[in-house]
Amino acid sequence: KQEVTQIPAALSVPEGENLVLNCSFTDSAIYNLQWFRQDPGKGLTSLLLIQSSQREQTSGRLNASLDKSSGRSTLYIAASQPGDSATYLCAVRPGGSGGSNYKLTFGKGTLLTVNP
Amino acid sequence: DAGVIQSPRHEVTEMGQEVTLRCKPISGHNSLFWYRQTMMRGLELLIYFNNNVPIDDSGMPEDRFSAKMPNASFSTLKIQPSEPRDSAVYFCASRTETDTQYFGPGTRLTVL
Repeated sequence: KQEVTQIPAALSVPEGENLVLNCSFTDSAIYNLQWFRQDPGKGLTSLLLIQSSQREQTSGRLNASLDKSSGRSTLYIAASQPGDSATYLCAVRPGGSGGSNYKLTFGKGTLLTVNP
Repeated sequence: DAGVIQSPRHEVTEMGQEVTLRCKPISGHNSLFWYRQTMMRGLELLIYFNNNVPIDDSGMPEDRFSAKMPNASFSTLKIQPSEPRDSAVYFCASRTETDTQYFGPGTRLTVL
């Protein structure tokens, strides 16, 4: 059974700092990995999706990397801003055809606070 | 597009009452998911529909929970009777061909 872990559970940084959020998963047979952002009282917003054949994806100040063999992904946020404060979740979709390969397994998230 | 629409946004009810949550997926999306989020268990998949057909309902906790998708633009999640332990945020999400799931804003359910 796939397990996704995100450490730390909470992180507080001063504005302008570069930071890394970590995600680890136990089963490397994945189809893709996705990073989401969740603001308080809101739904999840997809930030980046990395296919299993890719090593990284970039969007603006965000860069996500994937090391399938070691079961790890990182989300790098450059020059953090107070508006980046939110909970960040990673989710993996299993590989293989048929079965339950539509099912995302989510980590519990990292609560990020960027202080002005 | 307005995104995934859920109603109500907040629901407070008493134990034993029936609760119906509603979802309108993004037009053109053929996959729909219902999730439940709690502090203890995080996000859990309850049920998955593809082309309006329930494919996997193994996450539905008990027979008290049921879900329907009568057409491509509407789905409901019903809890009858509701219990305090059902209190959570319930999300609906729909998916594109590129596999990016779009989440609705959620319904915060409180069962007293």
